[in-house]
Amino acid sequence: EVQMVETGGALVQSGGSLRLSCEVSGFSVSNNYMSWVRQAPGKGLEWVSVIHSGGTTNYAGSVKGRLTISRDNLKNILYLQMNSLRAEDTAVYYCAREGYSYGLTGFFDSWGQGTLVTVSS
Amino acid sequence: DIQLTQSPSTLSASVGDRVTITCRASQTISSWLAWYQQKPGRAPKLLIYKASILESGVPSRFSGSGSGAEFTLTISSLQPDDFATYHCQQYDTSFPRTFGQGTKVENK
Repeated sequence: EVQMVETGGALVQSGGSLRLSCEVSGFSVSNNYMSWVRQAPGKGLEWVSVIHSGGTTNYAGSVKGRLTISRDNLKNILYLQMNSLRAEDTAVYYCAREGYSYGLTGFFDSWGQGTLVTVSS
Repeated sequence: DIQLTQSPSTLSASVGDRVTITCRASQTISSWLAWYQQKPGRAPKLLIYKASILESGVPSRFSGSGSGAEFTLTISSLQPDDFATYHCQQYDTSFPRTFGQGTKVENK
């Protein structure tokens, strides 16, 4: 059974740092594209970052240079290191596995329950 | 970046109604579009990928269609469990992945 559990969300001051974790069971993070998606209160979904199975990373422009995605293959954990946090980073952060079909990945077929990050100004 | 515009933003419907939601992309994305259902306080759930392929376990009253830049999600007969917010998302070869702003289906 696939399980994805995010932890690490907290209240943090503007300019501060935080590290989110997503503990995965039921599949290997190293064999999949893994993303972080966030949702500000009352707003829509926003893709944040992806780490490819080969290790390449991509970021949304709004977080590039401040947020860093990584993984621990042995522990089967996905991370999001968040630095220089801003009020606009306030959101529920979800980890999500990207599905693969017809030669392309990029849709999200499994999600964690989310963890709330609140940045106070 | 590829922009996705959903319409309507809110839809009022009754159990048994046929419901259609539209998602328009700012450029062609072939069929690389997914639909999700989200209930308050819960993570999104994948319904459809590649524009029209139903995810395993999703009821057959849900269907998706379209290609290029215009897509639709249809619920053939709305059920009580279907009142939720629906999001489209594109996964064309370029980054970033982007989502529509969401469509809330509420009880009339």
